[in-house]
Amino acid sequence: GAVVSQHPSWVICKSGTSVKIECRSLDFQATTMFWYRQFPKQSLMLMATSNEGSKATYEQGVEKDKFLINHASLTLSTLTVTSAHPEDSSFYICSANAAGLTSEAFFGQGTRLTVV
Amino acid sequence: AQSVTQPDIHITVSEGASLELRCNYSYGATPYLFWYVQSPGQGLQLLLKYFSGDTLVQGIKGFEAEFKRSQSSFNLRKPSVHWSDAAEYFCAVGVLGGGADGLTFGKGTHLIIQP
Repeated sequence: GAVVSQHPSWVICKSGTSVKIECRSLDFQATTMFWYRQFPKQSLMLMATSNEGSKATYEQGVEKDKFLINHASLTLSTLTVTSAHPEDSSFYICSANAAGLTSEAFFGQGTRLTVV
Repeated sequence: AQSVTQPDIHITVSEGASLELRCNYSYGATPYLFWYVQSPGQGLQLLLKYFSGDTLVQGIKGFEAEFKRSQSSFNLRKPSVHWSDAAEYFCAVGVLGGGADGLTFGKGTHLIIQP
């Protein structure tokens, strides 16, 4: 089956620094990838849609200058949390859709970000 | 815009008993419907999905779900739960046509298995 790899699985950073999270589709090409955020004991909230070769589309309320998304190839999307603050601490999950009308989302294993 | 409601935040079931997790959706057209399971600190694993056709879909780990258009529901069932089924379960709806939009998730149901 389709595999999505997310790296790192966890990261601790100091307040004010930037953190990059990678999302890779290992055995398929993904023209579209999605980034979700999940707070403890809550559901996943879509942050942005990442399209290969074009600008990401952000959901309402998500700061595009804070959460930089780059989708430079058909197998890699990156999310950079810039100038991280403790309130950015969360579980970030990416998903990628394989091509086709009946595509389903394949999820990465998630990244636990802790900002201290 | 689509939405998903999972009315039960927590459900406790005895091991070996049957399980039903409720999911209601709101969407103006034919939806794609999914059930995912998440263990603590992990990503999501797809249990099953409905796109079209037979309204009773079979998934992995002995789970099944039934799409009922008249009730806008997609409830997840399992005839006999195992202790390893304890996890968070999310129902999600996607847009028919594939890939262009992210999924909308319900708030999740936390399943607790009693010995």
